[in-house]
Amino acid sequence: DVKVTQSSRYLVKRTGEKVFLECVQDMDHENMFWYRQDPGLGLRLIYFSYDVKMKEKGDIPEGYSVSREKKERFSLILESASTNQTSMYLCASRSHRVFNQPQHFGDGTRLSIL
Amino acid sequence: AQTVTQSQPEMSVQEAETVTLSCTYDTSESDYYLFWYKQPPSRQMILVIRQEAYKQQNATENRFSVNFQKAAKSFSLKISDSQLGDAAMYFCAYDSNYQLIWGAGTKLIIKP
Repeated sequence: DVKVTQSSRYLVKRTGEKVFLECVQDMDHENMFWYRQDPGLGLRLIYFSYDVKMKEKGDIPEGYSVSREKKERFSLILESASTNQTSMYLCASRSHRVFNQPQHFGDGTRLSIL
Repeated sequence: AQTVTQSQPEMSVQEAETVTLSCTYDTSESDYYLFWYKQPPSRQMILVIRQEAYKQQNATENRFSVNFQKAAKSFSLKISDSQLGDAAMYFCAYDSNYQLIWGAGTKLIIKP
């Protein structure tokens, strides 16, 4: 089974802090994704990565950056956290070797910015 | 741009009965994939079922089946013999190359 691990399930940070959310997958997947989930809005894509050192902006990249230095790890960075970034963050990965494979998700990180 | 609409924010069903969750989408593409995902209160998003647009046969996975109507751009999920463990948020998603386009979700409540 694919395992996608997010470093924290709950995180509390202060306004203005630099926040790192880590995600690791164990299936050698090329594609990795960061989503933000808010009630009534579904999942919104922040950034995704086709492969190592590659990244693409999603629908709501403002205030975020990402890093993919190794294939298994995809980090989401909140450069200067703000209260409107309080949300659930989901990481996902999938193989690109077979077309249109489903995405596999981590457990999510509930981030609160005070 | 592709969009996905789930018009039912919340549905409830009696245990052992059947429920159908609605999903419509908008696209100009002819070949694509559609997914239903489930997110239980434990929060991990899990794939329920997948449909390939060029296949006319509706996908089924045990108690879960879809009613895929390509011309109407409709992709509903039917859950038969509902169980307490089916209680979750259900999301419909359209596969657009690298990205999934997501609906807002339907909260399914199972009444014992």
